[in-house]
Amino acid sequence: IAGITQAPTSQILAAGRRMTLRCTQDMRHNAMYWYRQDLGLGLRLIHYSNTAGTTGKGEVPDGYSVSRANTDDFPLTLASAVPSQTSVYFCASSVGLAGESNEQFFGPGTRLTVL
Amino acid sequence: GQNIDQPTEMTATEGAIVQINCTYQTSGFNGLFWYQQHAGEAPTFLSYNVLDGLEEKGRFSSFLSRSKGYSYLLLKELQMKDSASYLCAATDSNYQLIWGAGTKLIIKP
Repeated sequence: IAGITQAPTSQILAAGRRMTLRCTQDMRHNAMYWYRQDLGLGLRLIHYSNTAGTTGKGEVPDGYSVSRANTDDFPLTLASAVPSQTSVYFCASSVGLAGESNEQFFGPGTRLTVL
Repeated sequence: GQNIDQPTEMTATEGAIVQINCTYQTSGFNGLFWYQQHAGEAPTFLSYNVLDGLEEKGRFSSFLSRSKGYSYLLLKELQMKDSASYLCAATDSNYQLIWGAGTKLIIKP
C-alpha cells in the first residue's frame, strides 16, 4: 500500500441497503476525512477524525457514520442508502489539521450509485 | 455565512498565462489552499497561502489578500496537461476546509 486506498472503486446499490466504503492510509497521518463531490458543487465534508479514537461531523453528516479504531483505517457507512447519496466519495488524510497548514492527500475515490 | 466563489469555467491558449480568481468568506480563516483535479481523478495539492502576497512555485503562483478575502492562482506557459479543474479551499474555525465548486480550465492549442 502506498498513500491512501479506497474500496470499492465503484458500486451500484439498491436503495435501503447498507454499505461501507473503506479507506486505508499508510502514511501514519493523524487526521482523516470523508468528502462527497457532486457536479457543480464543491467537495463537501461528511465526517472527519482529527486523531485515532475521535470523530466529528462535517457539513453533510446525515445518513452517514464513521469510526476510527486505529490510525490507518477510516470506514464510512451508509446505514440505509437513498438516491440522493449517489455521488463520488473521496477519503483524504493529513499529518495534522487543515487549519494548521497541512495539505490533504486524497484517495482515488469511490463512485457510488444508489437506485 | 461561509462561502467560496470562483468562476465555473475558463478557456486559455497553450503557452499563454491565465489567472483564476477566488473570493472567500469563512469564520476563523487561517489560510487558503489551491488543488488541481484532472477529470476522473482525485484532487492534488498545489499551494498554500497564509500570509499576504505572492508565492511562486515554478509555472504556478498563488496570491492572497486577507483584508480583501481574495486569492488567485496564476498559471504561466500553459500546457495541454494543465487542462483540469482548480479548486480553492479556505480554512474555517473548526480547522476544516470549505471548498469552492472549482474552475474548469480548458486549454486550446
